[in-house]
Amino acid sequence: SYVLTQPPAVSVAPGKTARITCGGNNIGNYRVHWYQQKAGQAPVLVINYDVDRPSGIPERFSGSTSGNAATLTISRVEAGDEADYYCQVWDGSPVHSGVFGGGTKLTVL
Amino acid sequence: QVQLVESGGDLVKPGGSLRLSCTASGFIFSDYYMNWIRQAPGKGLEWLSYISNGGRTIYYAASVKGRFTISRDNAKNSLYLQMNNLRADDTALYYCAGAVGGFAPFDYWGQGTLVTVSS
Repeated sequence: SYVLTQPPAVSVAPGKTARITCGGNNIGNYRVHWYQQKAGQAPVLVINYDVDRPSGIPERFSGSTSGNAATLTISRVEAGDEADYYCQVWDGSPVHSGVFGGGTKLTVL
Repeated sequence: QVQLVESGGDLVKPGGSLRLSCTASGFIFSDYYMNWIRQAPGKGLEWLSYISNGGRTIYYAASVKGRFTISRDNAKNSLYLQMNNLRADDTALYYCAGAVGGFAPFDYWGQGTLVTVSS
């Protein structure tokens, strides 16, 4: 089954840029979605189809893919961005299944 | 506004059964492809099962295939998860999540219902 690998933790100072990676074999062949989960809350979709921002998500959130990794970039980080972030794809082999990365805890220093 | 409300979580003994429900409002439920996703305490998200908008196409994660059954009743705006032969490692917060298309991102999430499997 397909595996997505995320760093367990990323730390960043307020106002700086945070980058969270999601690695997977030939990940460019997949459409990557990103979710934010704040403590005690349900996940929220922040980036879909690699680069698109759903309505209501700040422009500070952006997504990209290159090589064997997708990246969620959060510019001008705020204290309220502190959360767990998960990448996700749909795998079609051998059967369709949803796949999540292990999650990255973003700490705002 | 869009709302998904899960219910049915409980404390159950190993080997027992439980049926979770997810009631939708604020959107056209029959247009959405629905999923169950769980999160063990302190752990990450795990996708469990998918059902197409009409209910004809269903997929399961290997960890629950043969034990869990997903179903939906569009007339009642409801999604279900029948869980049998529960194990301790099924202990988790169970979310229902909806996607506007097949194999699309999860646009809507409920707040989850807690299942605890313990003797």
